Amino acid sequence: GAGVSQSPRYKVAKRGQDVALRCDPISGHVSLFWYQQALGQGPEFLTYFQNEAQLDKSGLPSDRFFAERPEGSVSTLKIQRTQQEDSAVYLCASSYSPQASYEQYFGPGTRLTVT
Amino acid sequence: GNSVTQMEGPVTLSEEAFLTINCTYTATGYPSLFWYVQYPGEGLQLLLKATKADDKGSNKGFEATYRKETTSFHLEKGSVQVSDSAVYFCALPPQGGSEKLVFGKGTKLTVNP
Repeated sequence: GAGVSQSPRYKVAKRGQDVALRCDPISGHVSLFWYQQALGQGPEFLTYFQNEAQLDKSGLPSDRFFAERPEGSVSTLKIQRTQQEDSAVYLCASSYSPQASYEQYFGPGTRLTVT
Repeated sequence: GNSVTQMEGPVTLSEEAFLTINCTYTATGYPSLFWYVQYPGEGLQLLLKATKADDKGSNKGFEATYRKETTSFHLEKGSVQVSDSAVYFCALPPQGGSEKLVFGKGTKLTVNP
């Protein structure tokens, strides 16, 4: 079956540009997570949706970052006025259940490079 | 909140060698503990997990035991293969009932033939 897909896989943006990163979770998965992974580091939590509700956005680094999941399926992470420090791999994960012990299934990530 | 400290890499081993990657945790209560693996060019995938103290998670020849006495969840494999070359991440929820995960920095393993 299809896993979590993300697009684009690679994005180069000039400083100041806006970008939109898309995540298609596994069909039927209730929970959706966004993480940011800097080079050589572990993923760091950005935000979490349960269906269409954004229940936790405590990890978003600034108000330039915005995420949505309007129909409880596809999600978009938008970064406005990109800065060089935004360069990272953005990972999306989905899970069948909101319970913490359930496996999160990760997409391949979008590598964002801000020049 | 809860956190993990993971052994720094990189780790380079010969095929069939014994592997240990250390992970210690700081937590309130006994949250579930996870090992995720990231193969080159791929997304993270769950390798194994343990949901309560003294549990042992196992998969693909890897094992990790949830030890509350030493607050550890070390990853072990008796005989590594070239195909095990990857980055390994220890993870746990930041607090009880939380859905998100806090990850260690990752340990890169390279296995040479």
